[in-house]
Amino acid sequence: DGGITQSPKYLFRKEGQNVTLSCEQNLNHDAMYWYRQDPGQGLRLIYYSQIVNDFQKGDIAEGYSVSREKKESFPLTVTSAQKNPTAFYLCASSISGRKAFFGQGTRLTVV
Amino acid sequence: GENVEQHPSTLSVQEGDSAVIKCTYSDSASNYFPWYKQELGKGPQLIIDIRSNVGEKKDQRIAVTLNKTAKHFSLHITETQPEDSAVYFCAARYYGDDKIIFGKGTRLHILP
Repeated sequence: DGGITQSPKYLFRKEGQNVTLSCEQNLNHDAMYWYRQDPGQGLRLIYYSQIVNDFQKGDIAEGYSVSREKKESFPLTVTSAQKNPTAFYLCASSISGRKAFFGQGTRLTVV
Repeated sequence: GENVEQHPSTLSVQEGDSAVIKCTYSDSASNYFPWYKQELGKGPQLIIDIRSNVGEKKDQRIAVTLNKTAKHFSLHITETQPEDSAVYFCAARYYGDDKIIFGKGTRLHILP
């Protein structure tokens, strides 16, 4: 089955640690995205990538980093510079920004 | 910068009545407008979308309308059912760079 997979579903991080969230798609989509979701804030764009080896900052990129070494994969690293990382993180992929598919999300909690 | 405003933030309707959610966008170069439904603890799912060269699109009980001049688009759900209860997001794609910006969402409650 084609789809987009995020892992893990739940992630706990100690303060000061970096963590990496995985996102893999087998839809052959060129574009991939990371969004952060907080209660009442909707989906805020962190980073997006239109093609391999290229990505752009979204509205809230500070404290996050990404890579796009393969078409299928777009991992997100939440660094220690992100002051309030507890949130629900969603990855998506699309065909040139249309009909985006989302993964099931990763809930990150700082302990 | 690019922005998508969505109203209302919460909407309660009686089962069987219609629900309307409205969005406005800031960049006139936007050319694609999807709507997503999100159930608790899950990722959003695309329910309907519209391109900028179309004024209205329907899919069974769901319809979307677009007013390019006013930069407004709306989601209409008719004959609402309990399973329509969810959070709904509108979004706009910005021409040329595949960036997708979302509204803040509307929590729809269908009352028995």
